[in-house]
Amino acid sequence: EVQLVESGGGLVQPGGSLRLSCAASGFTFSYFWMTWVRQAPGKGLEWVARVDQDGSENYSVDSVKGRFTISRDNAKNSLYLQMNSLRAEDTAVYFCARGGSHSVDVWGRGTTVTVS
Amino acid sequence: DVVMTQSPLSLPVTLGQPASISCRSSQGLLYSNGYTYLNWLQRRPGQSPRRLIYEVSKRDSGVPDRFSGSGSGTDFTLKISRVEAEDVGVYYCMQGTHWPYTFGQGTKLEIK
Repeated sequence: EVQLVESGGGLVQPGGSLRLSCAASGFTFSYFWMTWVRQAPGKGLEWVARVDQDGSENYSVDSVKGRFTISRDNAKNSLYLQMNSLRAEDTAVYFCARGGSHSVDVWGRGTTVTVS
Repeated sequence: DVVMTQSPLSLPVTLGQPASISCRSSQGLLYSNGYTYLNWLQRRPGQSPRRLIYEVSKRDSGVPDRFSGSGSGTDFTLKISRVEAEDVGVYYCMQGTHWPYTFGQGTKLEIK
């Protein structure tokens, strides 16, 4: 069964840092682009960042550029999101998702980040 | 950024009746390779999102054939031929043609 399990969320003060992790199982992780998507309270879904199969290509949205870094470790079947200089508007549920080149298909359950 | 506009935002439907959700993009979604990257996602209460449809009309594995997608250019539609209780949730369109990829606001389907 394909599974994505996020971890690392929590409460952090403005200006602080957090590192989110996503453990993948049930598929060949190194074959797929991977993505982070977030949903702020009462708001819609927003792409955050995506990374290609070997980590050589990555893209992030303007609102997090220079603050968030997406990376992966194919040997550990893991995806990461390093979040620095966090702001109140980064408060959201962060989802890890499989894919990122035009679409995503499988999503994790999400991890909650609160900046306050 | 490409703005995805869904309508309606709330959709009360009687069990067994059809339902239709519209999604309009602020730019055309035809990619240079000839594909149109318009997806539909379903989010049931308490669950993470699940992709139903990709490339406008292709159903994901395990998705019932009562779900269908259509459209081209900037106008797209998700249709449910006969709504069942398990279809309750929020439906999102999502474009994967222009970076940053963007989502519609979501349409909440409920049973009347």
